[in-house]
Amino acid sequence: QPVLTQSSSASASLGSSVKLTCTLSSGHSTFIITWHQQQPGKAPRYLMKLEGSGSYNKGSGVPDRFSGSSSGADRYLTISNLQSEDEADYYCETWDSKTRVFGGGTKLTVL
Amino acid sequence: EMQLVESGGGLVRPGWSLRLTCTTSGFTFVDYATSWFRQAPGKGLEWVGFIRSRTYGGTTEYAASVKGRFTVSRDDAKSIAYLQMSSLKTEDTAVYYCARGFHYTDSSGFYHYIDYWGQGTLVTVSS
Repeated sequence: QPVLTQSSSASASLGSSVKLTCTLSSGHSTFIITWHQQQPGKAPRYLMKLEGSGSYNKGSGVPDRFSGSSSGADRYLTISNLQSEDEADYYCETWDSKTRVFGGGTKLTVL
Repeated sequence: EMQLVESGGGLVRPGWSLRLTCTTSGFTFVDYATSWFRQAPGKGLEWVGFIRSRTYGGTTEYAASVKGRFTVSRDDAKSIAYLQMSSLKTEDTAVYYCARGFHYTDSSGFYHYIDYWGQGTLVTVSS
């Protein structure tokens, strides 16, 4: 069963960029993941599906400021031109044929 | 407009049962898997279980923490999914979300990824 590791917190200034990392456990470096955003008090929202090749597919309505990339077992979510509404928890998720797992989430603070 | 709406949450006693409903609209429900997740107060997201679409067998899988107590089912004619919860424990207290799963296949099998979430319903288990 794969395990996902995320930093618990991150911060960046309004208008700047931030790159969040999700790391797959050993033996699972080729796995596809999804990124989800959860704003305070709201339900999660699907952002994108991200493959090991770095190819990603975003959900409907997700701004162009959000992009994904990959390197080895690491999967990245980059947010450019940070806005106040980007302050949220960000979760990565992956799966195998019988289970689904989340990273612990990264709480992003926009300064 | 695509929607998933959970209902059926509430306050129950330990050991009781409760059924949650995920009512969907705006997409072809039969073509998708449905997953259930939960989030305890102040905690992260946790997968509970899922049901594959009929095309992929309509079979179910569950997290170890709920296996044998929770059952996911679906009514394709009504575009509704259910989460039947029994022998509830205080640690089952959480907001429960249903989510749509987009099926895909690759060389190693068939899977789905979550591409749309409901708004959640709160389940509180307390004496």
